[in-house]
Amino acid sequence: AQKVTQAQTEISVVEKEDVTLDCVYETRDTTYYLFWYKQPPSGELVFLIRRNSFDEQNEISGRYSWNFQKSTSSFNFTITASQVVDSAVYFCALRFTGGGNKLTFGTGTQLKVEL
Amino acid sequence: EPEVTQTPSHQVTQMGQEVILRCVPISNHLYFYWYRQILGQKVEFLVSFYNNEISEKSEIFDDQFSVERPDGSNFTLKIRSTKLEDSAMYFCASERGGQRNQPQHFGDGTRLSIL
Repeated sequence: AQKVTQAQTEISVVEKEDVTLDCVYETRDTTYYLFWYKQPPSGELVFLIRRNSFDEQNEISGRYSWNFQKSTSSFNFTITASQVVDSAVYFCALRFTGGGNKLTFGTGTQLKVEL
Repeated sequence: EPEVTQTPSHQVTQMGQEVILRCVPISNHLYFYWYRQILGQKVEFLVSFYNNEISEKSEIFDDQFSVERPDGSNFTLKIRSTKLEDSAMYFCASERGGQRNQPQHFGDGTRLSIL
């Protein structure tokens, strides 16, 4: 079965702390695609980053970085020097080759960044 | 930057009534989706649409649901006879297509409340 697990329901940090959001996925496919989306309190879903299963390198984009470990089926997302505006629910999503084009979402992690 | 627009932002309807949710996808996108999110829960796939027909649907998308692209720009979701459990946020998404790692871009959602 294809599944995305975000074990952290809620994380609270103080502004300027780094925070890592965990995502573990299950798929039998050897080629698949992973995404992170942000849902701020206003409710919209905002695309953040994507990753192909065959990409070798982890990347950094501004304050965001991600760590893809195929051996442990994990796709963790880190925000460096968190800000209050980062407070949101973050969803990890999987698209697998045998699943059409749909996204399978995790249950989300509520991130609260406090002053 | 082009975006997906959804109307209305909030719809309140009596149980048993028909409701139509509207979406205008990004203009050069070819794949269209509806997802729903029951309050506090994860985002769930409903249906995908390509080349003027449904390409995939979930078990949630039963006979009460239908989708249409009536005029080449709008993409609608109709619920024929609403139930209390249809209360949720409904998201439309579109995708350019061509490569499996293309992100889906979401609208701001329509909050549907069934009384």
